[in-house]
Amino acid sequence: QQQVKQSPQSLIVQKGGISIINCAYENTAFDYFPWYQQFPGKGPALLIAIRPDVSEKKEGRFTISFNKSAKQFSLHIMDSQPGDSATYFCAASPPYNFNKFYFGSGTKLNVKP
Amino acid sequence: GAGVSQSPRYKVAKRGQDVALRCDPISGHVSLFWYQQALGQGPEFLTYFQNEAQLDKSGLPSDRFFAERPEGSVSTLKIQRTQQEDSAVYLCASSPQRGERGDTQYFGPGTRLTVL
Repeated sequence: QQQVKQSPQSLIVQKGGISIINCAYENTAFDYFPWYQQFPGKGPALLIAIRPDVSEKKEGRFTISFNKSAKQFSLHIMDSQPGDSATYFCAASPPYNFNKFYFGSGTKLNVKP
Repeated sequence: GAGVSQSPRYKVAKRGQDVALRCDPISGHVSLFWYQQALGQGPEFLTYFQNEAQLDKSGLPSDRFFAERPEGSVSTLKIQRTQQEDSAVYLCASSPQRGERGDTQYFGPGTRLTVL
């Protein structure tokens, strides 16, 4: 059973637009939610992360929105650029096994110039 | 400085062969993780080391999979009697702290294993 469900599978956005990727989880014990960015042929790299004690975290053009009651969180990329074209993964981990990340299935983002 | 490196980058094995995948973590990093990433999927946790101690191997899919980190630095993931379903990218990640909460995991580029 997939612990973290991610959508959409792929996304095409025009340059300057907003990219939105959504994730949902079942395990209410999860308390750490990172987002990773992966370029072809490379390993994932941490982009931004959030804990459930806040509803939003912003770093530059990247924002995580967190809805604890709905067990959902999302990544918003403002002013999307062609260089943002990559695959994005959400993940979650519980406090009792916080080294064990459960990843979503990924969203392939293509930002058109 | 150098990041996490993995070798080989690509490995083709015939079904039934044994393979060994190497991970060189960032120097001084205490924690080391192995993940399996199937095509079009997110990484799935395999195992975790803190120094030379394997603290969690709950994600290893079968007893054909074995990982070691004998001196607390380089790690090897060994797959015995490879099967077609083992075809995937195997990612290694390391982190500097002793598995502290919110510790960033730095990933290597992965080894793409294809079993024919």
